Amino acid sequence: AQSVAQPEDQVNVAEGNPLTVKCTYSVSGNPYLFWYVQYPNRGLQFLLKYITGDNLVKGSYGFEAEFNKSQTSFHLKKPSALVSDSALYFCAVRDGFSGGYNKLIFGAGTRLAVHP
Amino acid sequence: DVKVTQSSRYLVKRTGEKVFLECVQDMDHENMFWYRQDPGLGLRLIYFSYDVKMKEKGDIPEGYSVSREKKERFSLILESASTNQTSMYLCASSPSSGRVYEQFFGPGTRLTVL
Repeated sequence: AQSVAQPEDQVNVAEGNPLTVKCTYSVSGNPYLFWYVQYPNRGLQFLLKYITGDNLVKGSYGFEAEFNKSQTSFHLKKPSALVSDSALYFCAVRDGFSGGYNKLIFGAGTRLAVHP
Repeated sequence: DVKVTQSSRYLVKRTGEKVFLECVQDMDHENMFWYRQDPGLGLRLIYFSYDVKMKEKGDIPEGYSVSREKKERFSLILESASTNQTSMYLCASSPSSGRVYEQFFGPGTRLTVL
């Protein structure tokens, strides 16, 4: 079955420290992977995606993600966290059977709390 | 910039009422999606549409229907609202092509059914 797992409900980090939000996936076919961020009472904002090529993908707001095929992981990272990064983060994978429909399968989300 | 708008940010309805949630996108996208978001469950796909008048069930279509009469507009209908449909509803759109595209999301509608 195709799925996305975000093993941590919440991640706490001090401002200025590096952060990692974990994501693992299971999908039929090539893995096309996405990260989104959601601020309170807002829709989802796209951060970055992996299609092919370099395993390290750079995105918006200084975030990057590392694709690891052998571990089927796509962890989100940032070298130095800001209090304003506090939000809900979703990992997603394109449904391998969806073709041009671009259907996505989402994880349950990880709440990131950055403390001053 | 792609813009996806939803008709209401907050909505309060009574059990048994018929509820319409509207979504409009301005980028001529073929695909449109309706999700509900609940704590700990992430986003679950209710319905999606890949063309005018075309629709497909998602993972949780029970209790919902949709309408797509124009390419830019995708409506979610709760025929008889129930308290277990209290949730955040998110609309999204994406192009349809051989390339891999992200979905673009609206701001969401928080629906409370009393």
